[in-house]
Amino acid sequence: QQQVRQSPQSLTVWEGETTILNCSYEDSTFDYFPWYRQFPGKSPALLIAISLVSNKKEDGRFTIFFNKREKKLSLHITDSQPGDSATYFCAASYQGGRALIFGTGTTVSVSP
Amino acid sequence: EAAVTQSPRNKVTVTGGNVTLSCRQTNSHNYMYWYRQDTGHGLRLIHYSYGAGNLQIGDVPDGYKATRTTQEDFFLLLELASPSQTSLYFCASSENWNTLYFGAGTRLSVL
Repeated sequence: QQQVRQSPQSLTVWEGETTILNCSYEDSTFDYFPWYRQFPGKSPALLIAISLVSNKKEDGRFTIFFNKREKKLSLHITDSQPGDSATYFCAASYQGGRALIFGTGTTVSVSP
Repeated sequence: EAAVTQSPRNKVTVTGGNVTLSCRQTNSHNYMYWYRQDTGHGLRLIHYSYGAGNLQIGDVPDGYKATRTTQEDFFLLLELASPSQTSLYFCASSENWNTLYFGAGTRLSVL
């Protein structure tokens, strides 16, 4: 079964809008949650990450919001640009786990 | 930035064939990983290693073997390839398992 779930599977937004990507998990032992971005034809690369000690992590136009009680995260991309068009993966790991478990990804298309 | 090189970049084999995918990283990272990427499934962990000679089973290990011969080299072996193993395979390395650096990927087709 999928330990890390993402929604929606895909979405299209207009340039300048805020894109919101959702992620949820079941395992209470998960304590580190990175987001990876994959451009078409390229390999995934780390975009931004948050740990259990934080509720929010910001890096430029990218912000992670973390609801620990509901085991949900969201990635917000403000002022979305066509260059943000990519697939975004939420991932999780637990202390000592030594590996990342990825979600199924959300493909974002930003129209000019 | 970490350098992870995968070979071959593309491979076509037949059902029952024997395939070896290679991965080399040049940053002396302890951790190395093999993932497969399929539409609708995202990235799924096959095997991983945290040092030469060490092997750990991932989430989808059936039909795959792996071997970590040196700190730099990690191989994925498909001894009896099946069409269900047609996929895009990524190798990754990490110094501390928190940040993964991915190779360019190997696209495998099993006919």
